[in-house]
Amino acid sequence: GIQVEQSPPDLILQEGANSTLRCNFSDSVNNLQWFHQNPWGQLINLFYIPSGTKQNGRLSATTVATERYSLLYISSSQTTDSGVYFCAVGRGGGGADGLTFGKGTHLIIQP
Amino acid sequence: NAGVTQTPKFRVLKTGQSMTLLCAQDMNHEYMYWYRQDPGMGLRLIHYSVGEGTTAKGEVPDGYNVSRLKKQNFLLGLESAAPSQTSVYFCASSYMPWDEQFFGPGTRLTVL
Repeated sequence: GIQVEQSPPDLILQEGANSTLRCNFSDSVNNLQWFHQNPWGQLINLFYIPSGTKQNGRLSATTVATERYSLLYISSSQTTDSGVYFCAVGRGGGGADGLTFGKGTHLIIQP
Repeated sequence: NAGVTQTPKFRVLKTGQSMTLLCAQDMNHEYMYWYRQDPGMGLRLIHYSVGEGTTAKGEVPDGYNVSRLKKQNFLLGLESAAPSQTSVYFCASSYMPWDEQFFGPGTRLTVL
């Protein structure tokens, strides 16, 4: 199956800092999503981005499918950004449906 | 528009007991999925369904059964619960297998 590696595994930043989270995957995909899991366990969709660049407020993401990586940018971090960020990829439609998740980046934003 | 809902939110079982988790979606999605999340890990696919009346195995299917009798509902059953099945269970749905998946709030299951 597809391997998904996220880096860094842990990140501690001060409020207001910027950060870049990386997701590498081992094969071609037609689905890539970024999620934020908050301290209460809720899984929040951030981006559906199998290719290209998207922005939503302070967050943006870029996927370079040909080079098999995606980046999530967080600018002007706030304490509410704390939690675990997951990258998940899929090759749906070819008998391998469903998403494969990375182990996540645990982000702590200190006030 | 409720999206994806899961019942129950929490449950404690004793080893050997059985239970069913219910997932419902109101987006008319064809595809539905069950995942489990263990501490410190990402989610792993248990079973999924490509439409009403169909089911297929995912990465970690052992010890679970599923049914999709209605398009909007996807049931996950544990016939004889084991402590190794203590986990948080997430349901998701999508229109097509390459489309964005929408996740429910999760069910926290503890097996003693």
